[in-house]
Amino acid sequence: DAKTTQPPSMDCAEGRAANLPCNHSTISGNEYVYWYRQIHSQGPQYIIHGLKNNETNEMASLIITEDRKSSTLILPHATLRDTAVYYCIVRVVGIQGAQKLVFGQGTRLTINP
Amino acid sequence: DGGITQSPKYLFRKEGQNVTLSCEQNLNHDAMYWYRQDPGQGLRLIYYSQIVNDFQKGDIAEGYSVSREKKESFPLTVTSAQKNPTAFYLCASSLGQGAYTQYFGPGTRLTVL
Repeated sequence: DAKTTQPPSMDCAEGRAANLPCNHSTISGNEYVYWYRQIHSQGPQYIIHGLKNNETNEMASLIITEDRKSSTLILPHATLRDTAVYYCIVRVVGIQGAQKLVFGQGTRLTINP
Repeated sequence: DGGITQSPKYLFRKEGQNVTLSCEQNLNHDAMYWYRQDPGQGLRLIYYSQIVNDFQKGDIAEGYSVSREKKESFPLTVTSAQKNPTAFYLCASSLGQGAYTQYFGPGTRLTVL
């Protein structure tokens, strides 16, 4: 399984862009990068995913390096409600085609007023 | 509203008792998953099901059992054989095999006394 490495914690000022890095140097060519976040005692919330190209949706942008060994999640205008643990995950296709998400310990992002 | 429901939110049981956690989805998703989360840790896969009447063990299936008799429902039983059952349990579903996003329920926090 491809593994991901994230900083354990980060701080960001409210209204600024939050840039969360992730290393996935052993990712293989057909594995997607997914980002989820989890607010305390709630289920993880899907944010965005990508394979090679940069992606953007209403929540965030995902920048993937050309060699695909790392990526950055960007929250363009962070608010206090963005305080959460952010997980960078490489989707792994397991036996019989079923997908398996391998969760690490994530980055605890704190947005400060 | 479409989504995944888990009930109850909090569950207490005495040691040695089996307990069944409910997971229902009305998203018409084929695949469903059960994860376990311990304090300060990421999620670990217990069981998954790609289609009705079929399921496979995940990484930590010992002491757990599941059934998938209906597309909408994927209950998880925590048996007395599970040595450390106290945890936060999360159910997820996805459209099916392939590059489909997993969506999570709100979770059930099980405490065994």
